[in-house]
Amino acid sequence: DTGVSQNPRHKITKRGQNVTFRCDPISEHNRLYWYRQTLGQGPEFLTYFQNEAQLEKSRLLSDRFSAERPKGSFSTLEIQRTEQGDSAMYLCASSLAIVENTIYFGEGSWLTVV
Amino acid sequence: KQEVTQIPAALSVPEGENLVLNCSFTDSAIYNLQWFRQDPGKGLTSLLLIQSSQREQTSGRLNASLDKSSGRSTLYIAASQPGDSATYLCAVSGNTPLVFGKGTRLSVIA
Repeated sequence: DTGVSQNPRHKITKRGQNVTFRCDPISEHNRLYWYRQTLGQGPEFLTYFQNEAQLEKSRLLSDRFSAERPKGSFSTLEIQRTEQGDSAMYLCASSLAIVENTIYFGEGSWLTVV
Repeated sequence: KQEVTQIPAALSVPEGENLVLNCSFTDSAIYNLQWFRQDPGKGLTSLLLIQSSQREQTSGRLNASLDKSSGRSTLYIAASQPGDSATYLCAVSGNTPLVFGKGTRLSVIA
């Protein structure tokens, strides 16, 4: 297993279009997280899943954002009606559901809304 | 609400120097603290994880300490190299998923 995989790595879209990002976690990890990072800032938490259940959502996750993890494996993050303020790197991470465990991040998906 | 602050925001040192990066957090009720490295345009690589019951962790030239009661952690890098140039992020895990600082951007000059 090579780690957390995210696709696409880069996406340029016009304002108002919908975009979807996919994350494949490390295979035995039951927790999956989505974060957003803008230039010069640390990652900000968006949401996380334990298996297929979405356990927490940040207030940053507006109604235009939806995340799913239908079978407890890969996850998708969809942004509808994109706005320029959505331009950021979207990071996915995974871990085991024990507090002692390290969280592993993917390479991120860059979104540019023009 | 947990807040994480990293000082300094940027640091430039000559190769070979030892250096310390600082991280502070407002809520001491944490499970663990992680230090990450991020290269430009890339994802995060975990460097060290310190459990709340531990005082320090070491990996090669890196040593991280944790003082939970005072809400502070330091990352010590010995004998810095140009390849250490990156942004270093501190994050704490408690009742909420990882909360990050803004990072310290390190440049090691050859």
